Amino acid sequence: DSGVTQTPKHLITATGQRVTLRCSPRSGDLSVYWYQQSLDQGLQFLIQYYNGEERAKGNILERFSAQQFPDLHSELNLSSLELGDSALYFCASIPGTTPTGEQFFGPGTRLTVL
Amino acid sequence: DQQVKQNSPSLSVQEGRISILNCDYTNSMFDYFLWYKKYPAEGPTFLISISSIKDKNEDGRFTVFLNKSAKHLSLHIVPSQPGDSAVYFCAGYQGGKLIFGQGTELSVKP
Repeated sequence: DSGVTQTPKHLITATGQRVTLRCSPRSGDLSVYWYQQSLDQGLQFLIQYYNGEERAKGNILERFSAQQFPDLHSELNLSSLELGDSALYFCASIPGTTPTGEQFFGPGTRLTVL
Repeated sequence: DQQVKQNSPSLSVQEGRISILNCDYTNSMFDYFLWYKKYPAEGPTFLISISSIKDKNEDGRFTVFLNKSAKHLSLHIVPSQPGDSAVYFCAGYQGGKLIFGQGTELSVKP
């Protein structure tokens, strides 16, 4: 158990809908990362937040947005969903910075868009 | 542009033998390289890392080798155990970001 929690574990929805994925980082961790893993793909970095502020952006679609709240939990909002958005979404956390790159991952949310 | 590539989607080895998982990269600016292991229905867990200035790092049964001239790294697992069966991702780390390969599914048969 990494100490990172994600809810829900599974989400099934229809095209055009909007969903919110939630992540609670490890106690004391200030930085949260979001990743998308599509079928047969590696983890694609979406976005990073540090202590409530957006720190870095990766290949995140404009239909997706995220935020980190004062209690440090983070939410990833996916809107106007398309079939291709079906994927595993992981969040990861680290204390602040890490020189070696080690991140602690949650169990993921499996999103299915029908 | 795929900066980190794992060209073997799967690998099968016998218990007790060596498993060698390979990874190629194109970005010479990575500071560290990491290997993560992922079981079904779980998130990736950190396994071992290596600094870009090193050529080998060892932790128990796991050894990572880095060949900078070839832009290639490999993970050796000796001896392989059935519990090692999982998907292994290599990743490059630079500027606060991890860039992952596509993963290799390792199956260790008893």
